[in-house]
Amino acid sequence: DTAVSQTPKYLVTQMGNDKSIKCEQNLGHDTMYWYKQDSKKFLKIMFSYNNKELIINETVPNRFSPKSPDKAHLNLHINSLELGDSAVYFCASSQDLDEQYFGPGTRLTVT
Amino acid sequence: GQQVMQIPQYQHVQEGEDFTTYCNSSTTLSNIQWYKQRPGGHPVFLIQLVKSGEVKKQKRLTFQFGEAKKNSSLHITATQTTDVGTYFCAGHTGTASKLTFGTGTRLQVTL
Repeated sequence: DTAVSQTPKYLVTQMGNDKSIKCEQNLGHDTMYWYKQDSKKFLKIMFSYNNKELIINETVPNRFSPKSPDKAHLNLHINSLELGDSAVYFCASSQDLDEQYFGPGTRLTVT
Repeated sequence: GQQVMQIPQYQHVQEGEDFTTYCNSSTTLSNIQWYKQRPGGHPVFLIQLVKSGEVKKQKRLTFQFGEAKKNSSLHITATQTTDVGTYFCAGHTGTASKLTFGTGTRLQVTL
């Protein structure tokens, strides 16, 4: 009964490829997020959706495109992958401004 | 933009010693949340503070929210090896849903 799940857990790909990461939450929360955690462990918000509507869109290259088909799912598609995209990507969800529940993370390695 | 800094970046203690991490925001926060991330894991919510000057305890952990709502601290009494991980503070500004994470403090505990 995982609260927030992500697939895949690991993703190794070459520069220039396109890849997607999927996220699902079964907590009934209305807000979902994507974070990027770099090698120095800094956690940066990338996007946030509230009831399928984009509400936070940080300064992220437009190669990154989130999609929320319904409020339980938030996917992240990345075009033309670059070396600097290598990081751990976390999905999270919350109800309003309450605590955020994080998924297990997707470790992306671009070679 | 809003910045949340934590000090120290890293601390190594012997089991049984106390540990404190400090969190400072460049702007006034409406709340402060604390998360713990074990090595290889994902951030896990610990607690939320909302009121100016608020103090909360969870067993050996004591959390404080500053009077000006711009700083916070987490104090662990008599550390144990299970306390190992990176501790993040994170705060909301006003009613905005964006949660800004601090830079994190990595705690290492040895016997």
